[in-house]
Amino acid sequence: DSGVTQTPKHLITATGQRVTLRCSPRSGDLSVYWYQQSLDQGLQFLIQYYNGEERAKGNILERFSAQQFPDLHSELNLSSLELGDSALYFCASSVGASEYNEQFFGPGTRLTVL
Amino acid sequence: GDSVTQMEGPVTLSEEAFLTINCTYTATGYPSLFWYVQYPGEGLQLLLKATKADDKGSNKGFEATYRKETTSFHLEKGSVQVSDSAVYFCALSGSQGNLIFGKGTKLSVKP
Repeated sequence: DSGVTQTPKHLITATGQRVTLRCSPRSGDLSVYWYQQSLDQGLQFLIQYYNGEERAKGNILERFSAQQFPDLHSELNLSSLELGDSALYFCASSVGASEYNEQFFGPGTRLTVL
Repeated sequence: GDSVTQMEGPVTLSEEAFLTINCTYTATGYPSLFWYVQYPGEGLQLLLKATKADDKGSNKGFEATYRKETTSFHLEKGSVQVSDSAVYFCALSGSQGNLIFGKGTKLSVKP
């Protein structure tokens, strides 16, 4: 158990809908990263927050957004969903924002868009 | 941009066989290098890491050496067990502190 929790574990929805994925980092970790794992693209970095502020952006679509709240939990919002958004979404947390800080991964949320 | 290339799987070995999973990288700077493991139905776990050239990361019998001259970070284990069956990802630290992953190599170990 990494100490990172993600809810829900599974999510099934229809095209055009909007969903919210939630992540609670390990106690004491200030950084949260979101990654998408799909068969086509592999594991890709989406976005990072550090202590409530957006710090880095990767291959995140404009239809996707995220935020980190004062209690440091984070939410990833996916809207106007398409079939190709079906994937496993991982959250990871680390104590800082440096490359030397180990990232601890949650169990993931599996999103299926029908 | 920075990238990671690792050998495609699946790799199937018998128990106690020697394992090598090749990983090479392209990076403009001097990134840290990682191997992560993903067991079925679980998230990724850090297996080992190396932060500078010639560093050797090791954990649970697995080893990898950061080779700057060949831009490689090959994963090795002398004697695999059935419990090592998983997907292994090579990764490097991107300029933004994020991780850049290879496509993963699925390892199956037969008794």
